[in-house]
Amino acid sequence: GEDVEQSLFLSVREGDSSVINCTYTDSSSTYLYWYKQEPGAGLQLLTYIFSNMDMKQDQRLTVLLNKKDKHLSLRIADTQTGDSAIYFCAEGSNTGGFKTIFGAGTRLFVKA
Amino acid sequence: DADVTQTPRNRITKTGKRIMLECSQTKGHDRMYWYRQDPGLGLRLIYYSFDVKDINKGEISDGYSVSRQAQAKFSLSLESAIPNQTALYFCATSEGSSYEQYFGPGTRLTVT
Repeated sequence: GEDVEQSLFLSVREGDSSVINCTYTDSSSTYLYWYKQEPGAGLQLLTYIFSNMDMKQDQRLTVLLNKKDKHLSLRIADTQTGDSAIYFCAEGSNTGGFKTIFGAGTRLFVKA
Repeated sequence: DADVTQTPRNRITKTGKRIMLECSQTKGHDRMYWYRQDPGLGLRLIYYSFDVKDINKGEISDGYSVSRQAQAKFSLSLESAIPNQTALYFCATSEGSSYEQYFGPGTRLTVT
């Protein structure tokens, strides 16, 4: 079945760049997403990329998609302590009724 | 006011008890979802509903049931709670085939 994998932890220093990686298995994925979960809260969509794109930039966020390798990454430039959260990679497909499959989440620690 | 609300926010119950978790939304979305979150496992889909008359099983529906009482309300029931149903439960909504899901704040359920 479809699967999304990502590492569970990442620690960076404030001001450095963070890169969170994700791999997925469903080649029919239409959308790839990054959600952010802050402590005690639900998930919020951070950014997304369509499967026909290679890169998307949104202020401090850069999403890179390697469709051949089924690899997605999220780069956060100038990481701040407020970026500390869990980041979920997710893939969505229009097959089977528009399912979204989430990864396990990467917990980002930002050290001051 | 929050667009997606969940009640209760926290619940401790004993094995064998019936529990209902409720979700309400003011976004006017037709699609609603129930997920559970476990450490290291990400979000797993329990049930989803594309409209009031449409209910579908997700990845892990055993031991759960749902009711879509109205477009704005989607409740999740555990008929006879067991300890391995201890988890964080999230309700989410989306509009049509939109890529973005909007999450509630979560319900932390502990079954002893």
